[in-house]
Amino acid sequence: DQQVKQNSPSLSVQEGRISILNCDYTNSMFDYFLWYKKYPAEGPTFLISISSIKDKNEDGRFTVFLNKSAKHLSLHIVPSQPGDSAVYFCAAAGGGAAGNKLTFGGGTRVLVKP
Amino acid sequence: DSGVTQTPKHLITATGQRVTLRCSPRSGDLSVYWYQQSLDQGLQFLIQYYNGEERAKGNILERFSAQQFPDLHSELNLSSLELGDSALYFCASSPRGDSAGNTIYFGEGSWLTVV
Repeated sequence: DQQVKQNSPSLSVQEGRISILNCDYTNSMFDYFLWYKKYPAEGPTFLISISSIKDKNEDGRFTVFLNKSAKHLSLHIVPSQPGDSAVYFCAAAGGGAAGNKLTFGGGTRVLVKP
Repeated sequence: DSGVTQTPKHLITATGQRVTLRCSPRSGDLSVYWYQQSLDQGLQFLIQYYNGEERAKGNILERFSAQQFPDLHSELNLSSLELGDSALYFCASSPRGDSAGNTIYFGEGSWLTVV
């Protein structure tokens, strides 16, 4: 049972435009959500996070939106740059279990075209 | 650079062998995590330690074990290796042991190839 899903495996966007990545989750007890960027054979790099008590968090070109009623979050990247080309993972923490296990989505591969 | 250090970066070993992966967390972080990423799988949580004690357990095989030492570094031991154990193994760390607002930072990974 996939508790965190990224339904778009890939996304192609023109440089300078907005990239919108989506993520859905099923466990209403998740209390912290994170986005990571990953290059092949490298570790995930933390981008931005949001607590379940908020609906928006912004950091430079990255904004994360959380819609708890819909169990949906999204990452907006504006403007998109060629260096943003990577795989993006959303992850959720909490879920009612002890500790801090992250449950990851399957990832969305973003290609930013110059 | 996340501040999480993993060694070795690459490792090739034969089936049936045993290997140890090592991780140093970011300065000040008390939690260490191990994740596995296989070719056909996403990032799978294996285990979490907090200040030397096991805090959470995922789908870690019985052939695998981990520990966190008093200096907070951690080791993941993989034994009786099989071809299917070939994967990227990531260590990560965070300041605390719980989930709320506790960002996890990942190392660069140890690439294990079992032949």
